[in-house]
Parts: sequence; C-alpha cells; structure tokens
Amino acid sequence: SQQGEEDPQALSIQEGENATMNCSYKTSINNLQWYRQNSGRGLVHLILIRSNEREKHSGRLRVTLDTSKKSSSLLITASRAADTASYFCATEGAQAGTALIFGKGTTLSVSS
Amino acid sequence: GAVVSQHPSRVICKSGTSVKIECRSLDFQATTMFWYRQFPKQSLMLMATSNEGSKATYEQGVEKDKFLINHASLTLSTLTVTSAHPEDSSFYICSARGIDRAYEQYFGPGTRLTVT
Repeated sequence: SQQGEEDPQALSIQEGENATMNCSYKTSINNLQWYRQNSGRGLVHLILIRSNEREKHSGRLRVTLDTSKKSSSLLITASRAADTASYFCATEGAQAGTALIFGKGTTLSVSS
Repeated sequence: GAVVSQHPSRVICKSGTSVKIECRSLDFQATTMFWYRQFPKQSLMLMATSNEGSKATYEQGVEKDKFLINHASLTLSTLTVTSAHPEDSSFYICSARGIDRAYEQYFGPGTRLTVT
C-alpha cells in the first residue's frame, strides 16, 4: 500500500537553485522520513521528522511537517549535479512497529 | 548506523524456477523484518511483514504461496519467489528493525531479480 502522493513527480533545475518537493499522507503518523535513491541503487536515509516537530534541518536539507494538513516538504538548497536522484517520503504509522509506507517519489534532475 | 545485507545483489533465473533472497541484520537483532518490491521508475511497495518465529503478514494482493517468507532467526529472513515469471522481475528490498536499535528501520541494499 502507498500512503500518498508526492509533488511534483519530476523536477528539473540548474545547479545552485533550490529544489522543493512535497509529500502528502493519509493517516496519523509517528514520524515521516525522507530517502534518496540513485538509479538502480539502494535507499539512502536523509532525515527523520517526528510528528511533534514542525521543522528540521540537516546540512542543505530542510524538512517541514504539517500534521494538520498531513503534508511535508523537503527543500534542498544550492543544489548540485550529485543531488540528481529520486526522493521518497515514507511514513511510520502511529502504532509502534509498523512498516514504513512510501510515497510515489519525486525524480530530481540537476543540470550543471 | 546499523547494517543490513542482502544476498544475492543480482540474480537471473529462468521462468518457472524458484529463487531465494536472504536478508541479514549484521550488528543487531531484528525482531521484525519487512520486504518491499520496487518496479522500474516506481516507488517501494510493502509486500509483507515478518516477526521472528511467526508467520509473515502479507499485504493485500501479495500471494503468500508465491512469495514465501521465513524469519527463523533474529538475524535472518529469506524471501523465496516460487515458480518465478518475467512479471516478477523487480528490485526486492528488505528492511529490519530491532529492540536494541530503538525500533528504527534499516534497509538492505536490494536484490535485482530478472526472470527470463
């Protein structure tokens, strides 16, 4: 099962620009996580934001969470060609121990 | 972070044969393991959840007789794709979580299955 939608499905920008990806989900959550996946490779965990947090930063990444709207955004600042990848949000349900459920993902292409 | 391995990383098999994929937690005891499937250019879809020593719980639409999951120990879960067909070709990813890792979920690197 998939939790929700990500927007946009694909995003193309120039190096140095900021990239914003949005994620919506349907049910109550314990936390929301963002992952990156390079083509044909495994997942790389980027950041986790708990349901009682509204914003979190990690390097060039900024994540926001609005539980009232059941939505999150991932902002990558000063993007680099190496940021080219697919980005997925994943939610952990409110009940402890449940599996992460992934959104459909955003494919980001950063050109130099 | 915790390490989860998968073996093999790539496998090619003929239609009608079975293939087994192993998922191991290398430095923690995984009380729960999850199996996901990812088709090209799509997201990860949860297939099943397995708790050590119990039968796996399958997501709706996943055939339990075709995708056999065994979680016989706290460090190993296996997924066997039985009578594989070309439409089973996919990227299979496991993840594991354990008590001593604060129940965070750690992902393996994935197994690329190609059925010819």
